[in-house]
Amino acid sequence: DTEVTQTPKHLVMGMTNKKSLKCEQHMGHRAMYWYKQKAKKPPELMFVYSYEKLSINESVPSRFSPECPNSSLLNLHLHALQPEDSALYLCASSQVWGLAGDTQYFGPGTRLTVL
Amino acid sequence: SQQGEEDPQALSIQEGENATMNCSYKTSINNLQWYRQNSGRGLVHLILIRSNEREKHSGRLRVTLDTSKKSSSLLITASRAADTASYFCAASGRRALTFGSGTRLQVQP
Repeated sequence: DTEVTQTPKHLVMGMTNKKSLKCEQHMGHRAMYWYKQKAKKPPELMFVYSYEKLSINESVPSRFSPECPNSSLLNLHLHALQPEDSALYLCASSQVWGLAGDTQYFGPGTRLTVL
Repeated sequence: SQQGEEDPQALSIQEGENATMNCSYKTSINNLQWYRQNSGRGLVHLILIRSNEREKHSGRLRVTLDTSKKSSSLLITASRAADTASYFCAASGRRALTFGSGTRLQVQP
């Protein structure tokens, strides 16, 4: 199974809402990632978890709060977002993080619209 | 920004023709990867070339890497309409992948 799943596929939320994005993989990967992608732009790294510990936070605003409950799950909690946060949010996983530069497996993404 | 550049930004060809995309990056790398993204979907890994390799083939894909020029190219031979997508190079350094700006490929049937 080389699949990364993400839920929901689409999400519309107001600026005062609290919502969560979920990501799951069952490939035994120990590195998981959140990316943000705006239209016609490349993915931008937000967070990296390695062995369930946060290893990279690319200066992401605190209104985005990641969580890695176990090695298969990755959440992104959203609170008080701005309209400019509307984007495709991609989750990815790889065997390990760091020196090897592993292939990353991406989920289909959550299309987020903030009103 | 550590983001690399790709050219062309957009490419339109006829089915059966070859498509070449170029990528430049800024940092030293462990490897260089190419990904494909269909509109609004996740990225799919195509091929990885290590920093000590110069050329690699996989099916209809051919990738070259020139570390002295910090550049790579992706050649898709005998293109098909189903190859229509955006293609991103990704430079793999010590911390994370850094994606290039992408090439949007349109293959006309």
